Amino acid sequence: AQSVTQLGSHVSVSEGALVLLRCNYSSSVPPYLFWYVQYPNQGLQLLLKYTSAATLVKGINGFEAEFKKSETSFHLTKPSAHMSDAAEYFCAVIRYNQGGKLIFGQGTELSVKP
Amino acid sequence: DAGVTQSPTHLIKTRGQQVTLRCSPISGHKSVSWYQQVLGQGPQFIFQYYEKEERGRGNFPDRFSARQFPNYSSELNVNALLLGDSALYLCASSSSGAGSLTDTQYFGPGTRLTVL
Repeated sequence: AQSVTQLGSHVSVSEGALVLLRCNYSSSVPPYLFWYVQYPNQGLQLLLKYTSAATLVKGINGFEAEFKKSETSFHLTKPSAHMSDAAEYFCAVIRYNQGGKLIFGQGTELSVKP
Repeated sequence: DAGVTQSPTHLIKTRGQQVTLRCSPISGHKSVSWYQQVLGQGPQFIFQYYEKEERGRGNFPDRFSARQFPNYSSELNVNALLLGDSALYLCASSSSGAGSLTDTQYFGPGTRLTVL
């Protein structure tokens, strides 16, 4: 069964520091992978999605993620954190045999200190 | 263009009551999916509908039901509410529901349901 694991339920960084949010997937075949962001009291916004054409995926707001098949990972990074990046981040995988069913990780709350 | 819209924004019910949540997809999108997000957890898949037919169902009891209308809007119904049904209910729309990379799911703001 496909699943995702996000390491660290809370991550705190200083403004201007590197952001690294970890996601590992479990799948017998390379899956479709996504990162979504959720700001307080809002729905989910797509940050980026993995395409088989490129292992380094660039998303919105300066975020990017690298697909590493050997490590079954899809970690999210941003070189320099902004205060506005404070939010909940979810890694998700598509489940093939049930159409568009997204399977989400538990989420990582990112705090940015001034 | 308008995104996915959901109504109501907030809802308070008591145990045993029934609730109906509504979702309007992005114009041109034919697939709607419903997710339940309990506080502190990731969203859990409930249903997916495409062209008015159920395409997928998550591990939820029969108290949960949904339907999709000819205009592709959707309703989620929950009967005999339990305290544990308190959650943010998210609706997502996509163009085909096929789960392909070209079929990104776009989420609405959600309906916050509180069961007392």
